[in-house]
Amino acid sequence: SQTIHQWPATLVQPVGSPLSLECTVEGTSNPNLYWYRQAAGRGLQLLFYSVGIGQISSEVPQNLSASRPQDRQFILSSKKLLLSDSGFYLCAWSGQSSNQPQHFGDGTRLSIL
Amino acid sequence: GNSVTQMEGPVTLSEEAFLTINCTYTATGYPSLFWYVQYPGEGLQLLLKATKADDKGSNKGFEATYRKETTSFHLEKGSVQVSDSAVYFCALSDRGGTASKLTFGTGTRLQVTL
Repeated sequence: SQTIHQWPATLVQPVGSPLSLECTVEGTSNPNLYWYRQAAGRGLQLLFYSVGIGQISSEVPQNLSASRPQDRQFILSSKKLLLSDSGFYLCAWSGQSSNQPQHFGDGTRLSIL
Repeated sequence: GNSVTQMEGPVTLSEEAFLTINCTYTATGYPSLFWYVQYPGEGLQLLLKATKADDKGSNKGFEATYRKETTSFHLEKGSVQVSDSAVYFCALSDRGGTASKLTFGTGTRLQVTL
């Protein structure tokens, strides 16, 4: 069966520090991969998605970037964190065809001090 | 563009009460519809889905019917339990393109008390 792993589970970082969140998927190949942010008490905002290695689509302009160095690995990064980057970050995967449900990791809670 | 509107929460019910969480959508074409559940401190779990008009998705006692004429996908459960306390998200999937991009509602918090 397919599984998705995100780490770390929680992270506290100072303003201006770099960020790297990692997500890996097991049990499937060529997945579509997604990064979301969920602000406190809010819905989910799609940040990036990827349909293949090295292919990244950005949904909103921001201080973050994403990379997909391997088929089942998706990384969310920042060179310099802002206070507004605080939130709950969720990685998800889906099958290649459209209209597939997405399957989520357990999330990373990021607090910026 | 696509959008999903959910009823405002929180919804507070006593155990064994009937649950309805309303969800309506706006979309071009014929999207698939989903309900996700998020327990405190966790990621989202797919609860149920429906891919075409009049389909009924069901899981763990929850049901939702894809109503094209009213553009709705209301979530129902006949008898809620304390363990159902969570945030519920309605979502739709755009049929266009190769990525299954989801549009989420803002979520409805359900609190079930004894």
